[in-house]
Amino acid sequence: EVQLLESGGGLVQPGGSLRLSCAASKFTFGTYAMSWVRQAPGKGLEWVSAITDSGGKTFYADSVRGRFTISRDNSKTTLYLQMTSLVAEDTAIYYCAKDGPLLTINPGADFEYWGLGTLVTVSS
Amino acid sequence: QSVLTQPPSASGTPGQRVTISCSGSSSNIGGNTVNWYQQLPGTAPKLLIYSSNQRPSGVPDRFSGSKSGTSASLAISGLQSEDEADYYCAAWDDSLKGALFGGGTKLTVL
Repeated sequence: EVQLLESGGGLVQPGGSLRLSCAASKFTFGTYAMSWVRQAPGKGLEWVSAITDSGGKTFYADSVRGRFTISRDNSKTTLYLQMTSLVAEDTAIYYCAKDGPLLTINPGADFEYWGLGTLVTVSS
Repeated sequence: QSVLTQPPSASGTPGQRVTISCSGSSSNIGGNTVNWYQQLPGTAPKLLIYSSNQRPSGVPDRFSGSKSGTSASLAISGLQSEDEADYYCAAWDDSLKGALFGGGTKLTVL
């Protein structure tokens, strides 16, 4: 069974930075696009960012573009999200998600597997 | 405010059939497939329908999806108490170059 395990969440002050990691296993990591999706407390799902299988293309929501950077290390089967200039509105559970089931060149909105999430709280 | 519009709530009694709608535009639903997710309280979302009408392995055939033009629907037949959850539609948007989620629909089984 596919496993996605997020880590790196925590409490950070406004303006601070944090790096999230997502360790993937039980599938051919370098073959699939990956995404980050977040959910603010009591709110709906919000797509944050996606990266192609090779890491050659990245995509961002307007709300995080210029502040967040998605990357991946296929040799370590790990996905990352570097977050800077954090604001209170970034407070959320951050989920790592694997694209699929279909294998496509570009990312989509089909997230076959999700991690359990990691909580990021931005507060002074 | 989400670009994909869903009703905030829906309800039904056990055994009933309920549908949840998702309305978008030509840049998202109109030009791409729609996916549906189920989120039970306190858990991560689960893919319910992909490519507008396909069920992943393990998803009961009580769940079905359809798409027409810039709108999509999720239908749940033979409603069960364990179907009580939040449901989200999602589609890629070619203009925004990103994925979009609907605002979510809270399904209550009466």
